Amino acid sequence: ETGVTQTPRHLVMGMTNKKSLKCEQHLGHNAMYWYKQSAKKPLELMFVYNFKEQTENNSVPSRFSPECPNSSHLFLHLHTLQPEDSALYLCASSPLTASIQETQYFGPGTRLLVL
Amino acid sequence: GDSVTQMEGPVTLSEEAFLTINCTYTATGYPSLFWYVQYPGEGLQLLLKATKADDKGSNKGFEATYRKETTSFHLEKGSVQVSDSAVYFCALSPLGAAGNKLTFGGGTRVLVKP
Repeated sequence: ETGVTQTPRHLVMGMTNKKSLKCEQHLGHNAMYWYKQSAKKPLELMFVYNFKEQTENNSVPSRFSPECPNSSHLFLHLHTLQPEDSALYLCASSPLTASIQETQYFGPGTRLLVL
Repeated sequence: GDSVTQMEGPVTLSEEAFLTINCTYTATGYPSLFWYVQYPGEGLQLLLKATKADDKGSNKGFEATYRKETTSFHLEKGSVQVSDSAVYFCALSPLGAAGNKLTFGGGTRVLVKP
């Protein structure tokens, strides 16, 4: 399998549930990202991990908890979410080199619905 | 902070029409500029990019030129196809340590009718 994969592709959960989103990249990259894509809002960067270390938390509520056990895997643990958290959650990765042409490669996303 | 503004859609075109999507940015220094495309049900794919002033990025018949004087990176295609129907995102990344942080515009939905 190549590129960036995300599972599940669709998820419906209640506000009291706990679930996790998984992202895996097969590109040998060293940086991984979580984005939130809501209707009628720009794509929002949530978290950045460089070499497994979190380098960016864009004021994300604590009900979202990321985990990066290695450079190839990224998780987003979800608990006590709100209906307004319903969105498409996109994972991305990038090489993280000294090059200024840092291109991010995106997965297909997980469509989350919170009831 | 950095920001990207692009024209709101939807843009509806007939096949073989000319497409332009405007994008302007606000950033310190000389960021890299990108166009990403999102087809229905998929994630974002890099369409093209430019890293310095007057660079022209091109791919799949799409072009965009990095215009420092107007802080713009407009996307153009001379003859669109139905398969070009998608949402297009303009984005920038700053130079330096924060170079892997992308700032996106709001996206422009394009619908090409046969």
